[in-house]
Amino acid sequence: GEKVEQHQSTLSVREGDSAVINCTYTDTASSYFPWYKQEAGKSLHFVIDIRSNVDRKQSQRLTVLLDKKAKRFSLHITATQPEDSAIYFCAASRAQQGTGSKLSFGKGAKLTVSP
Amino acid sequence: GPKVLQIPSHQIIDMGQMVTLNCDPVSNHLYFYWYKQILGQQMEFLVNFYNGKVMEKSKLFKDQFSVERPDGSYFTLKIQPTALEDSAVYFCASSLDQGTETLYFGSGTRLTVL
Repeated sequence: GEKVEQHQSTLSVREGDSAVINCTYTDTASSYFPWYKQEAGKSLHFVIDIRSNVDRKQSQRLTVLLDKKAKRFSLHITATQPEDSAIYFCAASRAQQGTGSKLSFGKGAKLTVSP
Repeated sequence: GPKVLQIPSHQIIDMGQMVTLNCDPVSNHLYFYWYKQILGQQMEFLVNFYNGKVMEKSKLFKDQFSVERPDGSYFTLKIQPTALEDSAVYFCASSLDQGTETLYFGSGTRLTVL
């Protein structure tokens, strides 16, 4: 089955700097790549996603890049703020109709933004 | 935004007992999921459920596991009997539609089997 890897477990940046979190996947049939954020003591919260028909998607300070050849995708956060501090999970799935979503998650990367 | 509630947040039981984890999904959602996360490891898919039926399950969804959502109430995960390796955090999620629809997660139930 699909295996999603997040090679950084922690990342620390200064407020205002950029942060990049990288993920790789193994299943060439994966076509949907969401990112979730989990703040301390809270549930996972959807952040942004990208589908395999594009290689870049931006939403305000967040950009997701997808490299299908390398089976790699990344989350870029610009102008970081302390409230961006959280654990970020990447995930991947095939976009199959009729079976619901079956996401494979990375282990998570803890981002700390210091003032 | 939409919220998925999980009750209880922690549960401690003795090995061999039955446990039921409860999830109150987003009210108009149609697809329901359970994920399992052992401490320090990735969150892993257990099962998804739609229209009263299990659509897909992983190899982690052992015969001792069952799910149901009677009369549109809580979506439950029952483990009977429990084993030590069932200790984990169990996350419930729901989505409006299938495929690539956004999943909304609960904050998890930490299950400890002694």
